[in-house]
Amino acid sequence: AQKITQTQPGMFVQEKEAVTLDCTYDTSDQSYGLFWYKQPSSGEMIFLIYQGSYDEQNATEGRYSLNFQKARKSANLVISASQLGDSAMYFCAMSPPENTDKLIFGTGTRLQVFP
Amino acid sequence: SQTIHQWPATLVQPVGSPLSLECTVEGTSNPNLYWYRQAAGRGLQLLFYSVGIGQISSEVPQNLSASRPQDRQFILSSKKLLLSDSGFYLCAWRADGGEQYFGPGTRLTVT
Repeated sequence: AQKITQTQPGMFVQEKEAVTLDCTYDTSDQSYGLFWYKQPSSGEMIFLIYQGSYDEQNATEGRYSLNFQKARKSANLVISASQLGDSAMYFCAMSPPENTDKLIFGTGTRLQVFP
Repeated sequence: SQTIHQWPATLVQPVGSPLSLECTVEGTSNPNLYWYRQAAGRGLQLLFYSVGIGQISSEVPQNLSASRPQDRQFILSSKKLLLSDSGFYLCAWRADGGEQYFGPGTRLTVT
């Protein structure tokens, strides 16, 4: 069965610095999708970035980039130039190939950005 | 652009009472729709998803049910709430790229 692991329950970063949030996944499939979501205190889940398992280039979206290492089964999120508004919970998720409708979520990492 | 609505935003219900949470999507037709639950301090658990009117797939056998009476409407229901039904309920729709976009959520407290 597929599984997402986020081992960092909490992370601190100073404003304007970069931070990496870890995500590892477990699957025997060759085709899958990886996603990162942000959940601020309001509760809404905000889609940040997507990486397909066959994508050769790491995905980037503005200040977000996904460090995809397929052999190590890791999909770490890198946030550059952190801002106070980046303080939130961050969830990594995966869609298995047999059911692309399903997203399997990790337990999340709480990021706190301080001035 | 697409917009997803959920209501109510918060709800406090006694044990044994019924539940109805509604989700509607604007700006897209025949979307795949999803209901998730998030317990306090946890990740999201998929409860139901629907690929079309009247088509519901259940992921977790439980006290809840879902219905899709219209193309862009998805309803989560219960006949009798349990304490364990407390949580944050999120509705989502799936875009062509596979990513899902979520509504603002309903925070349910069962007392």
